[in-house]
Amino acid sequence: EPEVTQTPSHQVTQMGQEVILRCVPISNHLYFYWYRQILGQKVEFLVSFYNNEISEKSEIFDDQFSVERPDGSNFTLKIRSTKLEDSAMYFCASSEDFSRGEQFFGPGTRLTVL
Amino acid sequence: GESVGLHLPTLSVQEGDNSIINCAYSNSASDYFIWYKQESGKGPQFIIDIRSNMDKRQGQRVTVLLNKTVKHLSLQIAATQPGDSAVYFCAETMNSGYSTLTFGKGTMLLVSP
Repeated sequence: EPEVTQTPSHQVTQMGQEVILRCVPISNHLYFYWYRQILGQKVEFLVSFYNNEISEKSEIFDDQFSVERPDGSNFTLKIRSTKLEDSAMYFCASSEDFSRGEQFFGPGTRLTVL
Repeated sequence: GESVGLHLPTLSVQEGDNSIINCAYSNSASDYFIWYKQESGKGPQFIIDIRSNMDKRQGQRVTVLLNKTVKHLSLQIAATQPGDSAVYFCAETMNSGYSTLTFGKGTMLLVSP
């Protein structure tokens, strides 16, 4: 069964450093998403991406964040200058179309900012 | 602001029991609701969805009920199994053409053998 994959599973970085979180969505999917989940809190939407551009973004997704689809398979989330409060699980998701429920989530990357 | 919330943070049941997980939503403009299951160390997994023009939808061992009058959503799991132990989130979205999901905080379901 096809699945969304994410690397690395755990990323530790120093405050102020740049990090890139990587995702490989399901191959025939066209819509891509990033969510984050701070420990003990709810999953929060960050950004959606379609046709090589951002479709929608939340207030969390400020200028420190960017997304890119550098090739036909990867979808990345970059945080330019990490802050302590960026520590969270970051989930990538993809969907075949805008059938809103059928977003398939990856296993997540745990980002720890020291 | 408006948000999705859950009544019970933890629900403990015995194997074989039926489980009911509740969710209150406050955004009256939401017209599509989804239940996700999240096991430890994994991402959310879609369980079942329901649109606002329905009040009940059944899947395999799961049923979602929607009461728009009181803005309440519930997930019923029949014959709960230890493998059902997980955190369950409800999520909502609007017919805006985008797929932004607003998640609730989650309910931990613990199933004892």
